[in-house]
Amino acid sequence: KNQVEQSPQSLIILEGKNCTLQCNYTVSPFSNLRWYKQDTGRGPVSLTIMTFSENTKSNGRYTATLDADTKQSSLHITASQLSDSASYICVVSGDGRGSQGNLIFGKGTKLSVKP
Amino acid sequence: DGGITQSPKYLFRKEGQNVTLSCEQNLNHDAMYWYRQDPGQGLRLIYYSQIVNDFQKGDIAEGYSVSREKKESFPLTVTSAQKNPTAFYLCASSIGDRENSPLHFGNGTRLTVT
Repeated sequence: KNQVEQSPQSLIILEGKNCTLQCNYTVSPFSNLRWYKQDTGRGPVSLTIMTFSENTKSNGRYTATLDADTKQSSLHITASQLSDSASYICVVSGDGRGSQGNLIFGKGTKLSVKP
Repeated sequence: DGGITQSPKYLFRKEGQNVTLSCEQNLNHDAMYWYRQDPGQGLRLIYYSQIVNDFQKGDIAEGYSVSREKKESFPLTVTSAQKNPTAFYLCASSIGDRENSPLHFGNGTRLTVT
């Protein structure tokens, strides 16, 4: 069964600290892996998209890594800010036919950054 | 500013009533999608449309209907046949339906049915 598992479920860190969120998947065939940020009560916003040939991608203070062999990804946030408080969702594209009709969403990690 | 507009932000309905959620985009995107988000669960695909006048069922289409008469608009109707309609509904679009196109989401409609 195609699944995307994220850990931890929730995380509290102090402003200025770094953190790493994990995503493990069992999706096959694999096309790409995405990270989204979702503020409370709003829609998700894309952070990164990585194909199987990419093992790292950055977007400002956000750096995503991908190990397609072990089917693991991580999202590293550097020098956290209060505005980083949100849910971070890992999404895997499991359809190699060129369609987005088979995106598999993780349940998200809820990050709280405290002053 | 280009983007996706969902309206209303909050919607309350009585059980047994149909309700239509609006989704409009001015990004000139071909593909549009409807997702449902429930607490503690990942997003689930309801319907998607790759071009005007065409749409496909997603994983949880039962009790929902859509139309795609214009490129900019993809309204979702939650019918009385949907057993658990209370949820947060998200509309999204992408340049094409190709796998590497990022999804652009609206800010959702929270539907409460009592």
